[in-house]
Amino acid sequence: QKEVEQNSGPLSVPEGAIASLNCTYSDRGSQSFFWYRQYSGKSPELIMSIYSNGDKEDGRFTAQLNKASQYVSLLIRDSQPSDSATYLCAVRWYKLSFGAGTTVTVRA
Amino acid sequence: GAGVSQTPSNKVTEKGKYVELRCDPISGHTALYWYRQSLGQGPEFLIYFQGTGAADDSGLPNDRFFAVRPEGSVSTLKIQRTERGDSAVYLCASSTLADSYNEQFFGPGTRLTVL
Repeated sequence: QKEVEQNSGPLSVPEGAIASLNCTYSDRGSQSFFWYRQYSGKSPELIMSIYSNGDKEDGRFTAQLNKASQYVSLLIRDSQPSDSATYLCAVRWYKLSFGAGTTVTVRA
Repeated sequence: GAGVSQTPSNKVTEKGKYVELRCDPISGHTALYWYRQSLGQGPEFLIYFQGTGAADDSGLPNDRFFAVRPEGSVSTLKIQRTERGDSAVYLCASSTLADSYNEQFFGPGTRLTVL
């Protein structure tokens, strides 16, 4: 079993819709959870971090964490074409363990 | 200020050759990480430095891979007797501290192609 698993993509959503991304992790002791955005040919860019159960909102992005279910999600509201990218879920102790990523395409 | 820089941006080499990949972290960042990203996959941890010492090299795939950080700043990832399976993007990241909470900033990566 991989340490971090993400829902398979690609995910295509119309402009203005909500994109929902899911991630599960295997290490129950994990404390820190991150969502990175990676444009094609570029390096990962941190967009959200979450450390405690519940929701965390930042602009159009909301991260949700449920440690009991070992589940992390990311919602992108009012999706824009510029949100088209691969989204990587990562779990961290000191090193990051990444999922394989979900590619999101926002259709104009 | 300047971000993490990596050189070269692209490296094409032949099977069996030796390559060096360089990472220059953000000034003042004591923690430095190397990751490898294959096509369609997320980055995979290789090695982590705290200062000059390799604190965790458990991700290095075999003894052909080695990394150094002699002065606690610039790091070099060295690959001997390259194989076609080594082709990937090698990413370097740095952070102020090696804990669960300090953001890791990624460099642009070096794309290694082994022919």
